[in-house]
Amino acid sequence: AQSVAQPEDQVNVAEGNPLTVKCTYSVSGNPYLFWYVQYPNRGLQFLLKYITGDNLVKGSYGFEAEFNKSQTSFHLKKPSALVSDSALYFCAVRNSNNFNKFYFGSGTKLNVKP
Amino acid sequence: ETGVTQTPRHLVMGMTNKKSLKCEQHLGHNAMYWYKQSAKKPLELMFVYNFKEQTENNSVPSRFSPECPNSSHLFLHLHTLQPEDSALYLCASSQRPAESTDTQYFGPGTRLTVL
Repeated sequence: AQSVAQPEDQVNVAEGNPLTVKCTYSVSGNPYLFWYVQYPNRGLQFLLKYITGDNLVKGSYGFEAEFNKSQTSFHLKKPSALVSDSALYFCAVRNSNNFNKFYFGSGTKLNVKP
Repeated sequence: ETGVTQTPRHLVMGMTNKKSLKCEQHLGHNAMYWYKQSAKKPLELMFVYNFKEQTENNSVPSRFSPECPNSSHLFLHLHTLQPEDSALYLCASSQRPAESTDTQYFGPGTRLTVL
């Protein structure tokens, strides 16, 4: 079975500090991993993805994520948080047997305080 | 985000009403998806269309009826809904659904309230 876990409902960080939003996954087969962000009253926006290759993936708005196979994790990071990064973040894994199917985590609310 | 549009953005309906949600993608993509987003729950995939053909129905109740007349338009017809169907309904599209690198792009959603 394939699934994604985001262990934190909410992450609070001060502006200018580094941020991490955690994601762990469970897949049978190769993991294809994604991060999306959702601002209030908006749809999900694609941030970055890991398919293969370099374990450190860089994405939009200065975000990056590190794929760690041994820990089955794909944590989202940013060196210096902005207030405008405050939003809901979703990790997702693609079903390796059915590429149409994504399994999303329940989301982590990021609050960046000035 | 303007690549995938959804109308209406908000909808309030009674349990006996019939309404439809519309999604349009302007990206030239080949696959379209309906998701349901409820508070503090993972997104639930409802339906998938590849090249206008339905390829996934994720055990969705028959009171939800999808329609995909062409690769740019997707509808979700609603009838005799229940209050627990109140949620944000998201449409997405993607270009190469058979490839591992394929990325889904989402619309802004329709906030549905069933009274």
